[in-house]
Amino acid sequence: QVQLQESGPGLVKPSATLSLTCAVSGGSISSSTYFWGWIRQPPGKGLEYIGFIYYSGNTYYNPSLKSRVTMSVDTSTHQFSLSLTSVTASDTAVYYCARAVAGGLIDQWGQGTLVTVSS
Amino acid sequence: QTVVTQEPSFSVSPGGTVTLTCGLNSGSVSTSNYPSWYQQTPGQAPRTLIYSTNTRSSGVPDRFSGSILGNKAALTITGAQADDECDYYCALCMGGGTHWVFGGGTKLTVL
Repeated sequence: QVQLQESGPGLVKPSATLSLTCAVSGGSISSSTYFWGWIRQPPGKGLEYIGFIYYSGNTYYNPSLKSRVTMSVDTSTHQFSLSLTSVTASDTAVYYCARAVAGGLIDQWGQGTLVTVSS
Repeated sequence: QTVVTQEPSFSVSPGGTVTLTCGLNSGSVSTSNYPSWYQQTPGQAPRTLIYSTNTRSSGVPDRFSGSILGNKAALTITGAQADDECDYYCALCMGGGTHWVFGGGTKLTVL
């Protein structure tokens, strides 16, 4: 059973870069079946798609965040990462990493990690 | 800008049936949007219930079902139970499946 685990700083200063990593265990990150991605949820609010990355490195970002988002995948360490630049308080959220397949299925979710943007 | 619409809240009696919907601010939802549905209890990660309109995710009981009703996607819960009381989100795939948009969620009350 594949498991996903987010890691990264819980507090980021305004205008800085938010960086998170998701460790994949129990399955291959190099599988051509899956996309790896990030979804966030501000406190008390709904879910927001950030983007997905394929093992080959192809990326698919939310157009509203595209100018600030970079995702990468490291098949050697079985991890994928999110970088979000120029953060503001509105980027405060629980960030979930996830695994998806074509056809609209997110079949695995990480437990989520809260990132607060504050000075 | 694509906006996915959901009822903010809904209530159902224990044992009853409820249908939650997922629409688009412009246009109709179709199977090509691969509608999916997620259940979330407070403090927990979402749980995937339905994908590709009407396919139940592994382990999801058959009292949860998905469909297209008119111009919207729909999630029907039959025989509602107390622990069905939580938030439900839908998501639609746009742009050929590379861009997902989530609805604002429906808070379901069972009483």
